[in-house]
Amino acid sequence: DGGITQSPKYLFRKEGQNVTLSCEQNLNHDAMYWYRQDPGQGLRLIYYSQIVNDFQKGDIAEGYSVSREKKESFPLTVTSAQKNPTAFYLCASSLANGDIQYFGAGTRLSVL
Amino acid sequence: EDQVTQSPEALRLQEGESSSLNCSYTVSGLRGLFWYRQDPGKGPEFLFTLYSAGEEKEKERLKATLTKKESFLHITAPKPEDSATYLCAVPLNQAGTALIFGKGTTLSVSS
Repeated sequence: DGGITQSPKYLFRKEGQNVTLSCEQNLNHDAMYWYRQDPGQGLRLIYYSQIVNDFQKGDIAEGYSVSREKKESFPLTVTSAQKNPTAFYLCASSLANGDIQYFGAGTRLSVL
Repeated sequence: EDQVTQSPEALRLQEGESSSLNCSYTVSGLRGLFWYRQDPGKGPEFLFTLYSAGEEKEKERLKATLTKKESFLHITAPKPEDSATYLCAVPLNQAGTALIFGKGTTLSVSS
């Protein structure tokens, strides 16, 4: 089945620790995105990538990093510099700019 | 600043009681408006895309319409399984890449 797979579903981070959230898609989409969702806040853009080996910051990129070494994969690292990482993280992909974005099931990150 | 505003924040309906959700936007040069449905703890599920004023799209009990300033999601004779948060979004103005989302309307339908 084609789709977007995010893992893990739940993740816990200790103080000062970096953690990486996985996002894989087999839809052959060029563009991929990371959003953060907080209660009552809607989705906010962290990073996006339109093509392999290229990515741009979104509205709330501080404390996060990404890589796009393969078309299928767009992992997000939450660094220790992100002081309030507890949130629901959503990965999405689309064929190209402005096209319909399809979302994964999300990763819920909590701080221990 | 480009903005997307949804109202109401929450809506409670009885089964069969029709209503509408609103999404207003201030982006210039609209390049599409997207409606999504999100169930608790899950990723948003795509519903509709509208590109021009006057356009309408339907899916089961849902109908989305678009004007130059806002979009409506009409829900006709809702059922409890329609309970979810409905999100609307528009592409960023400059490059039309990522989406700007509204905060959503949480719909609860009771039987």
